Amino acid sequence: DAKTTQPPSMDCAEGRAANLPCNHSTISGNEYVYWYRQIHSQGPQYIIHGLKNNETNEMASLIITEDRKSSTLILPHATLRDTAVYYCIVRSGNTGGFKTIFGAGTRLFVKA
Amino acid sequence: NAGVTQTPKFQVLKTGQSMTLQCAQDMNHNSMYWYRQDPGMGLRLIYYSASEGTTDKGEVPNGYNVSRLNKREFSLRLESAAPSQTSVYFCASSDPTSGSYEQYFGPGTRLTVT
Repeated sequence: DAKTTQPPSMDCAEGRAANLPCNHSTISGNEYVYWYRQIHSQGPQYIIHGLKNNETNEMASLIITEDRKSSTLILPHATLRDTAVYYCIVRSGNTGGFKTIFGAGTRLFVKA
Repeated sequence: NAGVTQTPKFQVLKTGQSMTLQCAQDMNHNSMYWYRQDPGMGLRLIYYSASEGTTDKGEVPNGYNVSRLNKREFSLRLESAAPSQTSVYFCASSDPTSGSYEQYFGPGTRLTVT
């Protein structure tokens, strides 16, 4: 699976959009981009994933660049409860995708 | 629908003791995983089971064994605990047949080895 690079930490004001970047320049054609978050000491929570098209669900939006070498997770109206570590993961869509590699992630602080 | 459950929530062991961490899921998922997370670090895959009856090593399998007891349950055993195995252990499950590898995680087991 391709490696990802994320900033170690970011701040965001409550009510504003939080834009979390991720670089995955070595991504290959059959690899998906997944985002998870981990709120203090809890198990990670799945947020969203995509292959090449932008995706949106009730939690967030995922914007993937045309060359697929980077992506941005957008939390449209961040709340204090969104303070967490956010993990960007690239994994294969076939059986090799079982071996998920979680990096250090981005620690997002949402401030009042 | 409880999702993924893990027992125990906390455990303290002495060096050399053994124990088994239990994990169960009620989502009828085919695949299950065990991860460990050391303080300030990301998760590292210990073992996974792609489907009932199969298990494979992940990134850090040394010192651990696993058993996929049935489709619901996946246990992790420490035969002779060492202080280096002090960590938080997370179990997860997924359903690749759905076309997605999104994983659902349990609440974790906090293990201290003295």
